[in-house]
Amino acid sequence: AQSVTQLDSQVPVFEEAPVELRCNYSSSVSVYLFWYVQYPNQGLQLLLKYLSGSTLVKGINGFEAEFNKSQTSFHLRKPSVHISDTAEYFCAVSLSGNTPLVFGKGTRLSVIA
Amino acid sequence: DSGVTQTPKHLITATGQRVTLRCSPRSGDLSVYWYQQSLDQGLQFLIQYYNGEERAKGNILERFSAQQFPDLHSELNLSSLELGDSALYFCASSGLIGGGEQFFGPGTRLTVL
Repeated sequence: AQSVTQLDSQVPVFEEAPVELRCNYSSSVSVYLFWYVQYPNQGLQLLLKYLSGSTLVKGINGFEAEFNKSQTSFHLRKPSVHISDTAEYFCAVSLSGNTPLVFGKGTRLSVIA
Repeated sequence: DSGVTQTPKHLITATGQRVTLRCSPRSGDLSVYWYQQSLDQGLQFLIQYYNGEERAKGNILERFSAQQFPDLHSELNLSSLELGDSALYFCASSGLIGGGEQFFGPGTRLTVL
């Protein structure tokens, strides 16, 4: 079975500062990796995904993530955050396409002006 | 807008009652997933349907059931409701292309009093 650990439940950061949200996963087989964002009172929106190939994945809104197989990590980064990035971020894994997602507990990113 | 619709947006009911949540997937998506989001359990996968057939089952209680109809919309039925069933219920859909990316609806917030 797969599992996902998001190491930080809350991350406060000042506007225009860089941020890294950490995600580690556990699986005995290859997995697909995803980052979703949830704005207040909304559903989840996909930020980026890693299926195979290049380990550096670029997503929407200036976010990127790096897949590290040896460390079983998929950390999310943004070089300069905006107030509008304040949201809950979820890391998730799946065995393949069209299979259920296993989510981490989420990281609440708070951007401070 | 993800293209996935869910109704109703909010639902308030009493313990012991039964409710039905409805989901319409994105046009052309054959897979529908149901997830439950609560403060203590986080985001948990409940059940998946693919083209009308049950494909995968997660942490779904026996009091809960779902189905997918020929027009591909899905319903999640929750019966003998308990206070602990209060949560946000998300529907997601995915298609055959795009690495199985799941598109989430806005959710139904269920409050059991």
